[in-house]
Amino acid sequence: GIQVEQSPPDLILQEGANSTLRCNFSDSVNNLQWFHQNPWGQLINLFYIPSGTKQNGRLSATTVATERYSLLYISSSQTTDSGVYFCAVDPPDDKIIFGKGTRLHILP
Amino acid sequence: DTGVTQSPTHLIKTRGQQVTLRCSPISGHKSVSWYQQVLGQGPQFIFQYYEKEERGRGNFPDRFSARQFPNYSSELNVNALLLGDSALYLCASSQGQHTGELFFGEGSRLTVL
Repeated sequence: GIQVEQSPPDLILQEGANSTLRCNFSDSVNNLQWFHQNPWGQLINLFYIPSGTKQNGRLSATTVATERYSLLYISSSQTTDSGVYFCAVDPPDDKIIFGKGTRLHILP
Repeated sequence: DTGVTQSPTHLIKTRGQQVTLRCSPISGHKSVSWYQQVLGQGPQFIFQYYEKEERGRGNFPDRFSARQFPNYSSELNVNALLLGDSALYLCASSQGQHTGELFFGEGSRLTVL
């Protein structure tokens, strides 16, 4: 099946710093989503981005489907950005596959 | 606009028991999917239902079953619980037959003793 790899697994930054999270996938997919998991476990939608670039405030994402990767950019980090970020891909059989996540710690 | 709702939020069971988890999708969404997330890992796909029919099943034993009702709500059942079934169970809804953009509920945290 398709492999989804996220990097880095852990990231510690000072408040105000910028960060780039990466998601690589091993085969063609129909769609890709980025989520932020809050401390209570809920997955919050960030981007639905099968290809191209989208921006939402301090966050933006780029997916290059032909090269099988997606990037999530967080600028001017805030402590509330802490948590786990997941990418999830939708393969042709619709059985969604999540990466193992990037755990982000923003220090005040 | 109400989001995806799941119940119960927390529950504790003992080995061998059975559990039923419930999910109500966003109004207008016809597809519901279920995921298991064990501590420290990403969610794993269990089932997808669309228009009351199973459209996909992940690599889980037959102890796991689900169904979708005419109002598009769904139940996930797990029989003969094992300690390893302890996890956060997440439900997501989406609009169409093919997965599309997923919206998740807050999850049901199951502890098996």
